[in-house]
Amino acid sequence: AQSVTQLGSHVSVSEGALVLLRCNYSSSVPPYLFWYVQYPNQGLQLLLKYTSAATLVKGINGFEAEFKKSETSFHLTKPSAHMSDAAEYFCAVIGTGANSKLTFGKGITLSVRP
Amino acid sequence: NAGVTQTPKFQVLKTGQSMTLQCAQDMNHEYMSWYRQDPGMGLRLIHYSVGAGITDQGEVPNGYNVSRSTTEDFPLRLLSAAPSQTSVYFCASSYSRGSYGYTFGSGTRLTVV
Repeated sequence: AQSVTQLGSHVSVSEGALVLLRCNYSSSVPPYLFWYVQYPNQGLQLLLKYTSAATLVKGINGFEAEFKKSETSFHLTKPSAHMSDAAEYFCAVIGTGANSKLTFGKGITLSVRP
Repeated sequence: NAGVTQTPKFQVLKTGQSMTLQCAQDMNHEYMSWYRQDPGMGLRLIHYSVGAGITDQGEVPNGYNVSRSTTEDFPLRLLSAAPSQTSVYFCASSYSRGSYGYTFGSGTRLTVV
């Protein structure tokens, strides 16, 4: 079964600093990969997705992620953090098999210090 | 365009009670899923459906039941509520297998006392 691993449960950065949230997937075949964001007391919003087109994927709010097959990684980055980026971020995967379902990592809480 | 609508937003149940969480989508999506979110656990799949009349179990199906009689609706039934079912529940839908990304509802916060 497909799975993703998000290292660490909490990341804290200063406003204006680089944001790097890590995600590694387990799959022998490149899957579909996603990053979702959840603001407090809200549902999940799709940030970006990789579906085997360009390996560098740009999303909303200035976020981007790079698919690296050799490292089985799909890390999320943003050059300059903003206070409004404080939220929980989830990496998720769907395999390419017919019965594959959307499977989430445990999530990372991003805090942004003024 | 409402997207995915979940009702109720909040619910308190007593142990042993039953209830149905409602989920409706107006995007003509074939795929629908129910997840529960617990601190430190991420989102775990309870049940999913690939079309009207077709459902299957996810990772944590025990204590929950689903049916899909129409494309639009995918209710989740708690048969006999237990404190371990205290959680936030999300319904999601997608066109095709989900490679376009799932759209999520705003969630139902359930407390079982």
